[in-house]
Amino acid sequence: SQQGEEDPQALSIQEGENATMNCSYKTSINNLQWYRQNSGRGLVHLILIRSNEREKHSGRLRVTLDTSKKSSSLLITASRAADTASYFCATVRGSNYKLTFGKGTLLTVNP
Amino acid sequence: GAGVSQTPSNKVTEKGKYVELRCDPISGHTALYWYRQSLGQGPEFLIYFQGTGAADDSGLPNDRFFAVRPEGSVSTLKIQRTERGDSAVYLCASRFSLDAWFFGPGTRLTVL
Repeated sequence: SQQGEEDPQALSIQEGENATMNCSYKTSINNLQWYRQNSGRGLVHLILIRSNEREKHSGRLRVTLDTSKKSSSLLITASRAADTASYFCATVRGSNYKLTFGKGTLLTVNP
Repeated sequence: GAGVSQTPSNKVTEKGKYVELRCDPISGHTALYWYRQSLGQGPEFLIYFQGTGAADDSGLPNDRFFAVRPEGSVSTLKIQRTERGDSAVYLCASRFSLDAWFFGPGTRLTVL
């Protein structure tokens, strides 16, 4: 079963605009991670946020976590055509040492 | 090696055949995971190894699926009597800590 749900399912923007993707999950977590996937193959880890953190930054990425609402958002600023990919959130819960993924958001950045 | 590798990258087989998919994790990573990803979906957990033993195999869909990791490094996912519904990308990941999972490029399995 999948823990997270990303919103929107698909997002199309122009180069230079910001892209915001949201993720909701169902149970308490240890950490939440965002991944990027090109062309349905390998997943690339982008950023991790722990349950006691509220916001993290990495380059053009900004992640927020609201544990009271069981939700997270990923913001990509100044998007580029090369950012076109699917983005997934994934959670780690308690002593369950596995990543549970959402269904993903397909981001298209038009040049 | 530099990352997680998986072979083959693509596998086409006929319904009813047996297939083996291989994963080479990053050296020193004791935890290894198999995931399956269908088109338009997120990866779904299949099995997790800690060392040589399967710590959690709750995601294996049925007894046609089996995985081994005999020496605590390379793992093989085995699928018997393949069905068309088994067609998917099979992803392997390894980790040393809970903070960093590393995924391989996947094996795309097509069952005709």
